[in-house]
Amino acid sequence: GQSLEQPSEVTAVEGAIVQINCTYQTSGFYGLSWYQQHDGGAPTFLSYNALDGLEETGRFSSFLSRSDSYGYLLLQELQMKDSASYFCAPQSNYQLIWGAGTKLIIKP
Amino acid sequence: DTAVSQTPKYLVTQMGNDKSIKCEQNLGHDTMYWYKQDSKKFLKIMFSYNNKELIINETVPNRFSPKSPDKAHLNLHINSLELGDSAVYFCASSQLDSRETQYFGPGTRLLVL
Repeated sequence: GQSLEQPSEVTAVEGAIVQINCTYQTSGFYGLSWYQQHDGGAPTFLSYNALDGLEETGRFSSFLSRSDSYGYLLLQELQMKDSASYFCAPQSNYQLIWGAGTKLIIKP
Repeated sequence: DTAVSQTPKYLVTQMGNDKSIKCEQNLGHDTMYWYKQDSKKFLKIMFSYNNKELIINETVPNRFSPKSPDKAHLNLHINSLELGDSAVYFCASSQLDSRETQYFGPGTRLLVL
């Protein structure tokens, strides 16, 4: 079967670093995508990991361990505008698997 | 230039009515999707089309019928609307060989009364 786990909510302080973890179980795994969705907005693509290791894009980094079926999104130098929901979406065969995402709350 | 557009943005209607949501993308993508996001933010794929052909059809009531007149358009028709259909419906597009990178429309907020 398929499963996807990420924390429902994470709270952090402005300027800090936060890590959002994701564990998944799916057949025909290709890679792991991350999307950001602000309240009232649409999901927007952040990053994709097909291979093990860390991918860095500015303040955001994403990590994948295929053997552990595990990934994380690392956000550095948090800004208030980073307050949003973050979805990890493993790619299985012909589609992305989605869940309810992680709501990131940032406090000043 | 809007990449993926949906109309209408808001839809308030009575139970039992039939409604349609339209989606268009100008990115030249060959694959389009319909997603449903519930009040708890759970995002679920409903359908996917590649070059006008249905490639993903998740467990969705028959009252939902997608139609793709060409590869830039994917519409969603919903018959006999029910209270549980209230949600945000997102259209998205991608290239078939880059499914990890999907571009979403702004969403259609459907409220069934």
